Amino acid sequence: SQQGEEDPQALSIQEGENATMNCSYKTSINNLQWYRQNSGRGLVHLILIRSNEREKHSGRLRVTLDTSKKSSSLLITASRAADTASYFCATDYWYGQNFVFGPGTRLSVLP
Amino acid sequence: EPEVTQTPSHQVTQMGQEVILRCVPISNHLYFYWYRQILGQKVEFLVSFYNNEISEKSEIFDDQFSVERPDGSNFTLKIRSTKLEDSAMYFCASSRDRGQGETQYFGPGTRLLVL
Repeated sequence: SQQGEEDPQALSIQEGENATMNCSYKTSINNLQWYRQNSGRGLVHLILIRSNEREKHSGRLRVTLDTSKKSSSLLITASRAADTASYFCATDYWYGQNFVFGPGTRLSVLP
Repeated sequence: EPEVTQTPSHQVTQMGQEVILRCVPISNHLYFYWYRQILGQKVEFLVSFYNNEISEKSEIFDDQFSVERPDGSNFTLKIRSTKLEDSAMYFCASSRDRGQGETQYFGPGTRLLVL
């Protein structure tokens, strides 16, 4: 079955640096979404990118999608300590109704 | 901004007991979902619901689970006889539609602990 996989599993950076997280998947998708989860809390939707889109921006977030490589990246620029969280990509595919989540990247932004 | 709400935020129950987790999806949304996340693991799909019936379910969603939309606003997940391994965070989500560009919005979750 199709599955999103993020890498790296964990990322530790200094405040002010950029953080890049990647997501790969296996089958054709409709949408790819990125979510953030603070420890033990709910999932916050960050960005949705459609399969026919290549790049989207939202504030300090930039998401790219390369359907030929079946991969996406999430870039957080000028990171802040408050960005410390787990980041998940989730993909849905044309024949299903659910989103498949990857295992996530744990981002630590050190002050 | 409208949001998905869930109650309770935390629930502790004894093994074998029944629990009902409640969700209020966003009001103009038509598709509803339950996911779960065992501590430290991935978010896993359980079930989707549309037009008052289950439209898709995973292998996790066995006979001990059921979902219901008892009125125009609530969407519930019932676990009939809880097991220790049911301990997890349960997320409700809703979407306006399906297909390209349609986001699923998640609630804050209910943390279930089965003792």
